[in-house]
Amino acid sequence: DGGITQSPKYLFRKEGQNVTLSCEQNLNHDAMYWYRQDPGQGLRLIYYSQIVNDFQKGDIAEGYSVSREKKESFPLTVTSAQKNPTAFYLCASSIGTQRAGQPQHFGDGTRLSIL
Amino acid sequence: DAKTTQPTSMDCAEGRAANLPCNHSTISGNEYVYWYRQIHSQGPQYIIHGLKNNETNEMASLIITEDRKSSTLILPHATLRDTAVYYCIVRVLYAGGTSYGKLTFGQGTILTVHP
Repeated sequence: DGGITQSPKYLFRKEGQNVTLSCEQNLNHDAMYWYRQDPGQGLRLIYYSQIVNDFQKGDIAEGYSVSREKKESFPLTVTSAQKNPTAFYLCASSIGTQRAGQPQHFGDGTRLSIL
Repeated sequence: DAKTTQPTSMDCAEGRAANLPCNHSTISGNEYVYWYRQIHSQGPQYIIHGLKNNETNEMASLIITEDRKSSTLILPHATLRDTAVYYCIVRVLYAGGTSYGKLTFGQGTILTVHP
């Protein structure tokens, strides 16, 4: 089935450690996004990518990095510079900008906690 | 993007229609209305979206008022599995702007479907 796969489902990070969250989609979507959700709050955009080899900062990019080397993959690295990384991380994708109004589809998320 | 207002919570009996309202009085002519829902510990699920005409799909119906200042999501026969937080989002697509693609989730409506 087509969809978005995020792994792992749960992740633990030690202080000073970088960790990478995986996001893979087989929907042939051009655009991909990373959001962060804190308890009881809405989603905040970290990074987005409109096309392979291109990505842009969202509202809260500090302490995060991404790459988009393949159309189907958009991994997110949470660096040691991110001082409050404990959150629920969500990856999404959409067809792109050519067709107005296209919705974003989400994976099931990765829950990151600090040891 | 226009701000939306939704009730904090609603109840619905299983098998009955659930009607979830959303106010978006500052909506612009080129902004779409999207509905997503999020079941606990899962990623948001896209439900439906529309610009100015009423829309229906296999999950729900979207009724948008003629002045587009409010809308209603209708789940025609609610089941226990429809218990979730429902988000109404208004969004415009910018062609290459810095707000490209961002979905702004508010607090949403907690819908509880009871037997």
